[in-house]
Amino acid sequence: AQSVSQHNHHVILSEAASLELGCNYSYGGTVNLFWYVQYPGQHLQLLLKYFSGDPLVKGIKGFEAEFIKSKFSFNLRKPSVQWSDTAEYFCAVSSSGTYKYIFGTGTRLKVLA
Amino acid sequence: GAVVSQHPSWVICKSGTSVKIECRSLDFQATTMFWYRQFPKQSLMLMATSNEGSKATYEQGVEKDKFLINHASLTLSTLTVTSAHPEDSSFYICSARQWGALQETQYFGPGTRLLVL
Repeated sequence: AQSVSQHNHHVILSEAASLELGCNYSYGGTVNLFWYVQYPGQHLQLLLKYFSGDPLVKGIKGFEAEFIKSKFSFNLRKPSVQWSDTAEYFCAVSSSGTYKYIFGTGTRLKVLA
Repeated sequence: GAVVSQHPSWVICKSGTSVKIECRSLDFQATTMFWYRQFPKQSLMLMATSNEGSKATYEQGVEKDKFLINHASLTLSTLTVTSAHPEDSSFYICSARQWGALQETQYFGPGTRLLVL
């Protein structure tokens, strides 16, 4: 069965620090990969997605993610975080066959001003 | 990006009553919508896939008679929690799938918080 792991449950950073959130999945076939963000009191918003092509994907708000197929990973990065990046971040994976999303458990990021 | 709305945003009901939650795609048509449940400090768990004009597909362990899903139009899916009990209290989130350039992406509604007393 597919699964998605986000190893960092809580991350606290100071403003301007660099961010990397891990996401690993288990599935042997072709996958589509997503990162969503949920700001406090708001709904899930799509940050970026990977379907094919360049494994380095750029999203909104300065975020990027790199798909490393050999490591089954899709880590999220941002070179310099801002206080407004405080939110919960979810990695999701879907297989090309079912298109159902499997979500990771989420990472709560707190950025200190 | 595409916009999905949910109504109501929160509801409190007595045990034994039924509650209907609406999910609408506002600026695109969605033949497929999804219903998720999110427990506190946990991830989203897919409950069912709602297909326009056909029966919903439920995930293992989800009672289809408990959680009735209707997808009567390309912009509206409803989830009815029948005979609700306190253990049904949760945060219910819908998403609508949009196709574009051979890619599909789910856009999420703001969620509905249900409290059953």
